[in-house]
Amino acid sequence: AQSVAQPEDQVNVAEGNPLTVKCTYSVSGNPYLFWYVQYPNRGLQFLLKYITGDNLVKGSYGFEAEFNKSQTSFHLKKPSALVSDSALYFCAVRDMQGGATNKLIFGTGTLLAVQP
Amino acid sequence: GAGVSQSPRYKVAKRGQDVALRCDPISGHVSLFWYQQALGQGPEFLTYFQNEAQLDKSGLPSDRFFAERPEGSVSTLKIQRTQQEDSAVYLCASSWTLNSGANVLTFGAGSRLTVL
Repeated sequence: AQSVAQPEDQVNVAEGNPLTVKCTYSVSGNPYLFWYVQYPNRGLQFLLKYITGDNLVKGSYGFEAEFNKSQTSFHLKKPSALVSDSALYFCAVRDMQGGATNKLIFGTGTLLAVQP
Repeated sequence: GAGVSQSPRYKVAKRGQDVALRCDPISGHVSLFWYQQALGQGPEFLTYFQNEAQLDKSGLPSDRFFAERPEGSVSTLKIQRTQQEDSAVYLCASSWTLNSGANVLTFGAGSRLTVL
């Protein structure tokens, strides 16, 4: 079955330190991978995606993610965390078995807490 | 509009009541998705529209759930005879292109349904 896993419910990091939010996936074929962020009382916002090409993808707000095919991972990273980065982060993968819909399968989310 | 608008933002229903949740996507967006997000979980796919055509409803949990998009713009998700397990945030997302799986989705803030 196709799935995406976010092994950490919460990640705590001090402001100014680098952050990593982990994501691993299980799909058949070449994955399309996404990161979305959810702030309280707001909709999910797109951060970045990997479709093909360079394994290091840069996105919004200084975030980047590295696609690692051998480890089936797509970890989200930022060199220097800000308090305003505190939010709920979701990794998602395209459902390769979804026929024409190409719907996304989301992980359970990781709460990022950046302490001042 | 500037974003995806959902209403109501909050709905409390007594068990057995019918509810209707509205999604007003960004003007011109062809693809429209409904997702269900239970507390502490990631969004789960419910249904997909391409213009007015409902191409995939495989995620609807029961025949009590019904969605429509009659003119290819506004969509309504209707839940009949609500049950406590229907309590969740219902997210609407849209995209301007036909859904290739690589599309970036714009999400609304969601409608939080609480069934007592």
